[in-house]
Amino acid sequence: DAGVIQSPRHEVTEMGQEVTLRCKPISGHDYLFWYRQTMMRGLELLIYFNNNVPIDDSGMPEDRFSAKMPNASFSTLKIQPSEPRDSAVYFCASSLGQGSSPLHFGNGTRLTVT
Amino acid sequence: QQPVQSPQAVILREGEDAVINCSSSKALYSVHWYRQKHGEAPVFLMILLKGGEQKGHDKISASFNEKKQQSSLYLTASQLSYSGTYFCGTASMGNFNKFYFGSGTKLNVKP
Repeated sequence: DAGVIQSPRHEVTEMGQEVTLRCKPISGHDYLFWYRQTMMRGLELLIYFNNNVPIDDSGMPEDRFSAKMPNASFSTLKIQPSEPRDSAVYFCASSLGQGSSPLHFGNGTRLTVT
Repeated sequence: QQPVQSPQAVILREGEDAVINCSSSKALYSVHWYRQKHGEAPVFLMILLKGGEQKGHDKISASFNEKKQQSSLYLTASQLSYSGTYFCGTASMGNFNKFYFGSGTKLNVKP
Protein backbone atom coordinates (compact mmCIF):
# COMPACT_ATOMS: atom_id res chain seq x y z
CA ASP A 1 0.00 0.00 0.00
CA ALA A 2 1.74 3.15 -1.24
CA GLY A 3 -0.52 5.47 0.69
CA VAL A 4 -1.88 8.76 -0.60
CA ILE A 5 0.55 10.33 -3.04
CA GLN A 6 0.73 14.06 -3.59
CA SER A 7 2.82 16.07 -6.00
CA PRO A 8 4.72 18.26 -6.03
CA ARG A 9 6.05 18.32 -2.45
CA HIS A 10 7.05 21.94 -2.77
CA GLU A 11 5.86 24.61 -5.15
CA VAL A 12 7.16 28.14 -5.35
CA THR A 13 5.41 30.45 -7.77
CA GLU A 14 4.86 34.10 -8.43
CA MET A 15 1.63 35.90 -7.79
CA GLY A 16 -0.73 35.60 -10.71
CA GLN A 17 0.54 32.24 -11.91
CA GLU A 18 -1.58 29.12 -12.15
CA VAL A 19 -0.81 26.34 -9.68
CA THR A 20 -1.96 22.73 -9.96
CA LEU A 21 -1.66 20.30 -7.08
CA ARG A 22 -2.10 16.59 -7.66
CA CYS A 23 -3.29 13.68 -5.57
CA LYS A 24 -3.53 9.93 -5.98
CA PRO A 25 -5.73 8.37 -3.29
CA ILE A 26 -5.41 4.90 -1.84
CA SER A 27 -6.95 2.36 -4.17
CA GLY A 28 -10.44 1.39 -3.08
CA HIS A 29 -11.09 4.53 -1.04
CA ASP A 30 -14.35 6.16 -2.07
CA TYR A 31 -13.78 9.52 -0.41
CA LEU A 32 -11.18 12.13 -1.18
CA PHE A 33 -10.64 15.32 0.78
CA TRP A 34 -8.57 18.45 0.17
CA TYR A 35 -7.43 20.37 3.26
CA ARG A 36 -5.36 23.52 3.63
CA GLN A 37 -3.19 24.07 6.71
CA THR A 38 -1.89 27.40 7.93
CA MET A 39 -0.72 28.60 11.32
CA MET A 40 -3.56 31.07 11.55
CA ARG A 41 -6.46 28.91 10.41
CA GLY A 42 -5.31 25.36 11.14
CA LEU A 43 -6.64 22.52 9.01
CA GLU A 44 -9.44 23.77 6.78
CA LEU A 45 -11.60 21.47 4.70
CA LEU A 46 -11.76 22.84 1.17
CA ILE A 47 -13.73 20.20 -0.72
CA TYR A 48 -14.49 16.52 -0.66
CA PHE A 49 -15.49 13.94 -3.26
CA ASN A 50 -17.42 10.69 -3.08
CA ASN A 51 -16.97 8.29 -5.98
CA ASN A 52 -15.34 11.07 -8.02
CA VAL A 53 -18.29 13.44 -7.53
CA PRO A 54 -17.78 16.70 -5.59
CA ILE A 55 -20.09 16.57 -2.58
CA ASP A 56 -19.29 19.72 -0.68
CA ASP A 57 -17.13 22.59 -1.89
CA SER A 58 -18.32 25.14 0.64
CA GLY A 59 -14.81 25.45 2.02
CA MET A 60 -13.27 26.57 -1.25
CA PRO A 61 -12.25 30.13 -0.46
CA GLU A 62 -12.83 31.79 -3.81
CA ASP A 63 -13.57 31.17 -7.44
CA ARG A 64 -9.85 31.15 -8.01
CA PHE A 65 -9.86 27.66 -6.50
CA SER A 66 -11.18 24.66 -8.39
CA ALA A 67 -10.91 20.92 -7.88
CA LYS A 68 -11.57 17.96 -10.09
CA MET A 69 -11.55 14.20 -9.83
CA PRO A 70 -11.68 12.78 -13.33
CA ASN A 71 -11.31 9.20 -12.12
CA ALA A 72 -10.97 7.17 -8.94
CA SER A 73 -7.20 7.40 -8.87
CA PHE A 74 -6.55 11.06 -9.51
CA SER A 75 -7.59 14.49 -8.28
CA THR A 76 -6.32 18.01 -8.85
CA LEU A 77 -6.64 21.27 -6.97
CA LYS A 78 -6.03 24.32 -9.11
CA ILE A 79 -5.48 27.91 -8.10
CA GLN A 80 -5.71 30.49 -10.84
CA PRO A 81 -4.49 33.16 -10.38
CA SER A 82 -2.47 32.50 -7.24
CA GLU A 83 -1.98 35.11 -4.52
CA PRO A 84 0.51 35.35 -1.61
CA ARG A 85 -2.28 34.60 0.89
CA ASP A 86 -2.71 31.19 -0.74
CA SER A 87 0.65 30.16 0.71
CA ALA A 88 0.00 27.11 2.88
CA VAL A 89 0.43 23.36 3.06
CA TYR A 90 -2.26 21.59 1.06
CA PHE A 91 -3.12 18.05 2.12
CA CYS A 92 -5.07 15.45 0.24
CA ALA A 93 -6.64 12.63 2.25
CA SER A 94 -8.68 9.59 1.35
CA SER A 95 -10.89 7.21 3.29
CA LEU A 96 -13.43 4.44 2.97
CA GLY A 97 -16.03 6.89 4.22
CA GLN A 98 -19.06 6.32 6.45
CA GLY A 99 -17.56 8.49 9.16
CA SER A 100 -16.06 5.48 10.84
CA SER A 101 -12.99 5.12 8.69
CA PRO A 102 -9.78 7.04 9.29
CA LEU A 103 -8.48 9.67 6.94
CA HIS A 104 -5.19 8.75 5.33
CA PHE A 105 -3.24 11.89 4.53
CA GLY A 106 -0.69 12.44 1.82
CA ASN A 107 2.59 14.18 2.65
CA GLY A 108 1.22 17.50 1.52
CA THR A 109 2.29 20.17 -0.93
CA ARG A 110 3.93 23.24 0.56
CA LEU A 111 2.90 26.14 -1.63
CA THR A 112 4.70 29.46 -1.51
CA VAL A 113 3.37 32.33 -3.59
CA THR A 114 5.70 35.31 -3.82
CA GLN B 1 -18.84 23.33 13.23
CA GLN B 2 -15.17 23.40 14.12
CA PRO B 3 -14.63 21.62 17.45
CA VAL B 4 -13.04 23.48 20.33
CA GLN B 5 -9.79 21.95 21.42
CA SER B 6 -7.83 22.63 24.59
CA PRO B 7 -5.24 23.29 25.80
CA GLN B 8 -3.35 24.97 22.97
CA ALA B 9 0.00 23.75 24.21
CA VAL B 10 1.42 21.43 26.85
CA ILE B 11 4.99 20.96 28.04
CA LEU B 12 5.74 17.73 29.85
CA ARG B 13 8.68 15.86 31.27
CA GLU B 14 9.09 12.25 30.22
CA GLY B 15 6.83 10.03 32.29
CA GLU B 16 4.23 12.72 33.00
CA ASP B 17 0.60 12.53 31.90
CA ALA B 18 -1.48 14.83 29.72
CA VAL B 19 -5.13 15.23 28.77
CA ILE B 20 -6.35 16.94 25.63
CA ASN B 21 -9.98 17.90 25.26
CA CYS B 22 -12.24 18.33 22.27
CA SER B 23 -15.78 19.62 22.48
CA SER B 24 -18.71 20.41 20.25
CA SER B 25 -21.93 22.36 20.80
CA LYS B 26 -23.90 19.57 19.13
CA ALA B 27 -23.89 15.80 19.33
CA LEU B 28 -21.36 14.25 17.02
CA TYR B 29 -21.38 11.18 14.83
CA SER B 30 -17.70 10.43 15.43
CA VAL B 31 -14.48 11.81 16.79
CA HIS B 32 -11.09 11.07 15.28
CA TRP B 33 -7.72 11.76 16.88
CA TYR B 34 -4.56 12.44 14.86
CA ARG B 35 -0.98 13.32 15.66
CA GLN B 36 1.17 15.45 13.41
CA LYS B 37 4.92 15.72 13.68
CA HIS B 38 6.61 18.87 12.41
CA GLY B 39 6.77 18.89 8.62
CA GLU B 40 4.78 15.69 8.28
CA ALA B 41 1.21 14.68 7.57
CA PRO B 42 -1.31 14.00 10.33
CA VAL B 43 -1.36 10.34 11.34
CA PHE B 44 -4.46 8.57 12.57
CA LEU B 45 -4.57 7.47 16.21
CA MET B 46 -8.14 6.33 16.88
CA ILE B 47 -11.86 6.78 16.23
CA LEU B 48 -14.70 6.91 18.73
CA LEU B 49 -18.24 6.34 17.61
CA LYS B 50 -20.34 5.45 20.63
CA GLY B 51 -21.40 7.58 23.56
CA GLY B 52 -19.62 6.45 26.70
CA GLU B 53 -16.95 4.69 24.67
CA GLN B 54 -13.40 4.39 25.88
CA LYS B 55 -10.68 3.14 23.62
CA GLY B 56 -6.96 2.89 23.78
CA HIS B 57 -3.78 1.18 22.84
CA ASP B 58 -0.55 1.17 24.80
CA LYS B 59 -0.44 4.38 26.85
CA ILE B 60 -2.64 6.49 24.60
CA SER B 61 -6.38 6.26 25.12
CA ALA B 62 -9.48 8.32 24.52
CA SER B 63 -13.04 8.69 25.72
CA PHE B 64 -16.30 9.93 24.23
CA ASN B 65 -18.95 11.19 26.65
CA GLU B 66 -22.51 9.89 26.75
CA LYS B 67 -23.92 12.94 24.99
CA LYS B 68 -21.30 12.57 22.23
CA GLN B 69 -20.29 16.20 22.55
CA GLN B 70 -16.94 15.84 24.23
CA SER B 71 -13.91 13.65 23.79
CA SER B 72 -10.64 13.51 25.66
CA LEU B 73 -7.30 12.05 24.68
CA TYR B 74 -5.17 10.67 27.50
CA LEU B 75 -1.41 10.35 27.21
CA THR B 76 0.09 8.51 30.15
CA ALA B 77 3.74 8.08 31.08
CA SER B 78 4.65 10.27 28.13
CA GLN B 79 7.63 9.46 25.96
CA LEU B 80 9.76 11.75 23.82
CA SER B 81 8.12 10.22 20.75
CA TYR B 82 4.75 11.60 21.84
CA SER B 83 5.83 15.12 20.96
CA GLY B 84 3.84 16.68 18.16
CA THR B 85 0.55 18.42 17.54
CA TYR B 86 -2.63 16.54 18.31
CA PHE B 87 -5.84 17.22 16.43
CA CYS B 88 -9.36 16.04 16.96
CA GLY B 89 -11.49 15.70 13.87
CA THR B 90 -15.24 15.58 14.21
CA ALA B 91 -18.14 14.56 12.00
CA SER B 92 -21.69 15.67 12.72
CA MET B 93 -24.83 13.59 12.78
CA GLY B 94 -26.10 15.38 9.72
CA ASN B 95 -23.04 14.74 7.60
CA PHE B 96 -20.81 12.01 8.92
CA ASN B 97 -18.38 12.21 6.04
CA LYS B 98 -17.50 15.87 6.50
CA PHE B 99 -14.67 16.27 8.99
CA TYR B 100 -13.73 19.44 10.79
CA PHE B 101 -10.53 19.65 12.76
CA GLY B 102 -9.82 21.44 16.01
CA SER B 103 -7.06 24.02 16.23
CA GLY B 104 -4.61 21.49 17.61
CA THR B 105 -2.69 20.95 20.85
CA LYS B 106 1.07 21.22 20.65
CA LEU B 107 2.66 18.69 22.99
CA ASN B 108 6.33 18.99 23.86
CA VAL B 109 7.83 16.17 25.90
CA LYS B 110 11.23 16.96 27.36
CA PRO B 111 13.81 14.56 28.81
